[in-house]
Amino acid sequence: EVQLVESGGGLVQPGGSLRLSCAASGFTFSGYSLSWVRQAPGKGLEWVSYISSSSGTIYYTDSVKGRFTISRDSDRNSLYLQMNSLRDEDSAVYYCARSRAYSGSYLDAFDIWGQGTVVTVSS
Amino acid sequence: AIRMTQSPSSFSASTGDRVTITCRANQSISSYLAWYQQKPGKAPKLLIYAASTLQSGVPTRFSGSGSGTDFTLTINCLQSEDFATYYCQQYYSDPPLTFGGGTKVEVK
Repeated sequence: EVQLVESGGGLVQPGGSLRLSCAASGFTFSGYSLSWVRQAPGKGLEWVSYISSSSGTIYYTDSVKGRFTISRDSDRNSLYLQMNSLRDEDSAVYYCARSRAYSGSYLDAFDIWGQGTVVTVSS
Repeated sequence: AIRMTQSPSSFSASTGDRVTITCRANQSISSYLAWYQQKPGKAPKLLIYAASTLQSGVPTRFSGSGSGTDFTLTINCLQSEDFATYYCQQYYSDPPLTFGGGTKVEVK
């Protein structure tokens, strides 16, 4: 079964750090681009960051640039999001999502999503 | 950033209805548009990509149309499992990818 499973969420104080992980299974991990998408409580979806299949192309939304770092490990079939200097407004469910096309680009829909991991930033 | 506007933000419908949701981009995005369905507490599910291509496994009562700036998602013969929130997403341009604000389809 094609699957993405996130972990690493939790409660953290403003200014703190957290590392999210996303374990992939059921598909050729090294062939697909991946993204993180978040959803604040009661709000819509917001794309956060993208990494290409080779890790050669990385993008971030402006509000997390300089604070978040996306990475992937093909040996572990895992995607990561290192989140530093966390703010209240970073509180959300964080989803990892797969770009639809094999060896595709950033410009694609997301066909596989994880179940999400909750990040709460609060003092 | 390209702004995506969905309308309406919510509405009520009955099973068996034909419903249409609209998504408008503030600049042309060709056909680089996807539609997702999300149920409470669940991850989004891809329904349609490239504006009108049905994702594998999605029932044929779902259809998408449009290009440029104006797009629609149509659900023919609404089923009980279709009550959910629907999002459009553009993937035309350089970052950021952007989503519409969502349309919640509720039971009348």
